[in-house]
Amino acid sequence: DAGVTQSPTHLIKTRGQQVTLRCSPISGHKSVSWYQQVLGQGPQFIFQYYEKEERGRGNFPDRFSARQFPNYSSELNVNALLLGDSALYLCASSWGQGATDTQYFGPGTRLTVL
Amino acid sequence: QKEVEQDPGPLSVPEGAIVSLNCTYSNSAFQYFMWYRQYSRKGPELLMYTYSSGNKEDGRFTAQVDKSSKYISLFIRDSQPSDSATYLCALRPAYSGAGSYQLTFGKGTKLSVIP
Repeated sequence: DAGVTQSPTHLIKTRGQQVTLRCSPISGHKSVSWYQQVLGQGPQFIFQYYEKEERGRGNFPDRFSARQFPNYSSELNVNALLLGDSALYLCASSWGQGATDTQYFGPGTRLTVL
Repeated sequence: QKEVEQDPGPLSVPEGAIVSLNCTYSNSAFQYFMWYRQYSRKGPELLMYTYSSGNKEDGRFTAQVDKSSKYISLFIRDSQPSDSATYLCALRPAYSGAGSYQLTFGKGTKLSVIP
């Protein structure tokens, strides 16, 4: 079975631009979470979606938004990019949203904002 | 005080050594504990998952949880150069509802195993 896939692998944008990152969960998984990992830090939670509904939101500004599609894939959008948005953006999928549902991570999208 | 504290290292050990990696946490709501391994420029990979105090063993890896001290550890026996990576502890609360779905990560400890 394929793992979590993310696209694109790398992305370079300039300040003020907008970016869309994509994630396809493991087949059968209905929950997708997004994390931001700044260099040298652990991942920080951004959003969680389950059955196409937002179920959790981390401490990120409204410039960050996401959605989940009927096939459970997901997009993360970031508007008005800032230099500080440069990071590895990780998508994780799990079968459900329970505490014992293991989250499996994709390889990430590395975003560089110039 | 951060919710989860983890010494970022770096930690360098000779091949075959026993490695001890640790995290402390402040929120007693955390009841599920995970260790992820992250190779350079890759996504985190789940190594160990435990929810009770005590030890859990899987091959060369042992996860230890002490809820009374709010302290978790990962031990690696007979360390190999292929174990060189960043090790992240991740915690999750047991309650349902808002705030319960995300993992809270430590900063990660960068480990190098020297041949």
